Amino acid sequence: EAQVTQNPRYLITVTGKKLTVTCSQNMNHEYMSWYRQDPGLGLRQIYYSMNVEVTDKGDVPEGYKVSRKEKRNFPLILESPSPNQTSLYFCASSPRQGEAYNEQFFGPGTRLTVL
Amino acid sequence: GDSVTQMEGPVTLSEEAFLTINCTYTATGYPSLFWYVQYPGEGLQLLLKATKADDKGSNKGFEATYRKETTSFHLEKGSVQVSDSAVYFCALSTYGNNRLAFGKGNQVVVIP
Repeated sequence: EAQVTQNPRYLITVTGKKLTVTCSQNMNHEYMSWYRQDPGLGLRQIYYSMNVEVTDKGDVPEGYKVSRKEKRNFPLILESPSPNQTSLYFCASSPRQGEAYNEQFFGPGTRLTVL
Repeated sequence: GDSVTQMEGPVTLSEEAFLTINCTYTATGYPSLFWYVQYPGEGLQLLLKATKADDKGSNKGFEATYRKETTSFHLEKGSVQVSDSAVYFCALSTYGNNRLAFGKGNQVVVIP
């Protein structure tokens, strides 16, 4: 089944404790992206990657890191989480070609709480 | 920059009622337009899309027409069901751009 997977789905942590949220897609998509969803703000892009070893900042990159060492994986790293990073996070991927050029496929989400 | 505006506030309506959710956009290029749906506890799913002016996207009884002259992509459904209760997001993406620009979403609650 073609899908984007994220782990963990739920995470409660404390301020300053480094964490990684994994994202993997099995559709051979070039493009991957991370969004956060907050009430009243909709979805905002954190980072994106056009291909392996190519990453760039989105709208709200502060406090986050990413890496793209393999095409299928795009982990989101919070080196020192803070309470304002409590949010619902989504990973997405896109083929960037053909009719589905601009269409993005989303993972199930990771709900993060930072105490 | 590119942006999407959705009507404010949740939408509550009775089963079999007509649903309209307004969406307008601004874009520097020639965008593709999307409606995504988020059911409770789930990720976003593409509901429908349109890639050029006057195109009509449709799926599951929902429709939206790409109106370039009014820069709009309003979502409609003629007879909603309880199972349509979800959050609906309008979004756009332009060729060569590297993100989807989302509206803030509308919570739709359908009462039996």
